[in-house]
Amino acid sequence: EPEVTQTPSHQVTQMGQEVILRCVPISNHLYFYWYRQILGQKVEFLVSFYNNEISEKSEIFDDQFSVERPDGSNFTLKIRSTKLEDSAMYFCASSDLGERYGYTFGSGTRLTVV
Amino acid sequence: GENVEQHPSTLSVQEGDSAVIKCTYSDSASNYFPWYKQELGKRPQLIIDIRSNVGEKKDQRIAVTLNKTAKHFSLHITETQPEDSAVYFCAASLSYGQNFVFGPGTRLSVLP
Repeated sequence: EPEVTQTPSHQVTQMGQEVILRCVPISNHLYFYWYRQILGQKVEFLVSFYNNEISEKSEIFDDQFSVERPDGSNFTLKIRSTKLEDSAMYFCASSDLGERYGYTFGSGTRLTVV
Repeated sequence: GENVEQHPSTLSVQEGDSAVIKCTYSDSASNYFPWYKQELGKRPQLIIDIRSNVGEKKDQRIAVTLNKTAKHFSLHITETQPEDSAVYFCAASLSYGQNFVFGPGTRLSVLP
C-alpha cells in the first residue's frame, strides 16, 4: 500500500532556530496537508496545498510557518524562530479525489523545542 | 467554522462487547466524516468513512452511522478485541479531500 513518508522522525531544536520538516506524499495525490498534534491532544489542521499554492490555512498557520513543494516529490513545512509551544507531532497527509487511497497520514515528525 | 465534539473521552469495555463512540458537528454543510484510529506514538489511520448521502456503512466489525438532520455520527465496534485499544478520532469536512476538523478523541480500552 502506498505511504506518505516523513523525515526526520524526531527533531530537537533550540528555541529561536528554524526547522524544516520534510514529507514525500503519495505520488499520484494532488492535495497535501500539514497537521499537528500536541501531546495528548487532538489533531489540528495547519495548511492545505494544491496546484503549487496554499488552498487553505488555519489560525495556527501564521507568518512563522511556510510550506513549499520544491520539486515533484517533496512537500516541506518550515517553522521559523521556533517557540517552546511548537513542540508537537507534525503529520503530513495527502489525498486525491478518488476512492482508492483516501486521506493518508505520514508517520509524523516529533518536534521538540528546547 | 466547524466544531466537532466527541463522547465519551474514555471508554472501557470487556473483550467481546461492543463499543460506541458518538460525534456531533456544527456545520450543516459538512458532508464527509472519517474515523481515525491512533495507537500510541503512531499516526492516525483511517478505519472507515461515510459521506452525507449514506446513512450507514459497515466494514466487518466496524460500522458508522450518520444522522444529517441531527448532525451526529457514530462509530460502532462489535466483538471488541484487545488490539482495538487505541484513541479514536472522528472528523468532519466540507468534502472529500478537504481539510478535516477533528474531534478531541476517545481513548478506548478493551479489557481481556
